Amino acid sequence: EVRLVESGGGLVQSGGSLRLSCAASGFTFSDYWMIWVRQAPGKGLEWVANIKQDGSDKSYVDSVKGRFTISRDNAKNSLYLQMNNMRVEDTAVYYCARGLHIWGQGTMVTVSS
Amino acid sequence: VVTQEPSLTVSPGETVTLTCDSSTGGVTSGHYPYWFQQKPGQAPRTLIYDTSNKHPWTPARFSGSLLGGKAALTLSGAQPEDEADYYCVLFYSGPVVFGGGTKLTVL
Repeated sequence: EVRLVESGGGLVQSGGSLRLSCAASGFTFSDYWMIWVRQAPGKGLEWVANIKQDGSDKSYVDSVKGRFTISRDNAKNSLYLQMNNMRVEDTAVYYCARGLHIWGQGTMVTVSS
Repeated sequence: VVTQEPSLTVSPGETVTLTCDSSTGGVTSGHYPYWFQQKPGQAPRTLIYDTSNKHPWTPARFSGSLLGGKAALTLSGAQPEDEADYYCVLFYSGPVVFGGGTKLTVL
């Protein structure tokens, strides 16, 4: 069974850091580009970042450039999102997805002022 | 900017078309349109990719196309369980852009 499980969410103060993880199983992780998408409470979906299969190419939405870093460890079948200098507006459910075809259940991140 | 109808209502058994428009000009197959369904409290589920391709879990009543310069998701024979938010995505050279979503009510 193809599965993505996010973890690492929680409550953090403005300016703080969190590292999200996404554990993949049921498929060859290194074959797929991966993406982080977030959804603020009551709002729509927003692309955050994506990473190529070998990690050589990464893209970010402008609002997180310089603060968030996407990475992956193909040996551990894992995707990561390091979030630094966090802002209240980063509060959202964060989903990892396999190329926008398969989605995890999400992890909630709350940034307090 | 990717634009969708904020809300639509359809009667059970009827057909409805949701659209996805690009502010930079007409949507083409080169934007590789995707469509997602999201029900309250659940993760999104991908229904359509690359304009019209379906996943094994996509109900046959959903179909994707290009219509009048927009990407379109057509629901033929709406069911009560189709009430949900629907999002499209268009790929540009660089960013991935989600539409604002359409809240579909089956009533």
